[in-house]
Amino acid sequence: AQKITQTQPGMFVQEKEAVTLDCTYDTSDQSYGLFWYKQPSSGEMIFLIYQGSYDEQNATEGRYSLNFQKARKSANLVISASQLGDSAMYFCAMRPNFMTTDSWGKLQFGAGTQVVVTP
Amino acid sequence: DVKVTQSSRYLVKRTGEKVFLECVQDMDHENMFWYRQDPGLGLRLIYFSYDVKMKEKGDIPEGYSVSREKKERFSLILESASTNQTSMYLCASSLGESGEKLFFGSGTQLSVL
Repeated sequence: AQKITQTQPGMFVQEKEAVTLDCTYDTSDQSYGLFWYKQPSSGEMIFLIYQGSYDEQNATEGRYSLNFQKARKSANLVISASQLGDSAMYFCAMRPNFMTTDSWGKLQFGAGTQVVVTP
Repeated sequence: DVKVTQSSRYLVKRTGEKVFLECVQDMDHENMFWYRQDPGLGLRLIYFSYDVKMKEKGDIPEGYSVSREKKERFSLILESASTNQTSMYLCASSLGESGEKLFFGSGTQLSVL
């Protein structure tokens, strides 16, 4: 069963506005990692941001920030000042139990959210 | 920059054919992965490998096999292609440390007719 839920199949956002992409996850592990990837029409998956379950600060990478609410099992991606080049599919992913080596790289992905940035 | 190269961007095959999807990475990564991407389902792990000649099943291995004879190359094999294997296939690699991100190739869109 899918453990990552992205409830927004698609959304439009105007250039220069901020957008929040929702992601909730289900795990009983104490140690896990959360990722966001971007997939433009070219097909390549591009890593955006990472949050470890023990990280106390929300992760930020340039215009990307991750709003991590552990008790709610939520890891929303915020893109500030949207640009036309941000139009893409965005995937939330989780690596469960990252303290064990056999989980390394075994990401579980959500269904994705298609973002279209309009001028 | 890490480069993960998939040999074909588009492939069209017939039902019953044996299909090879090739993936090469140039950063000496130990771990390599094959994912399948379908609309509404996200990415699902087919097989992965932590070392040369080593393989582990992912979540949906049925109908697939893999080969890793050299560290930089990881091949996905469809022994007898079926129409339900029409999909986008993504190869990825990583160093395997905690928090390490995956590096993906551009994908191969396979159509089985």
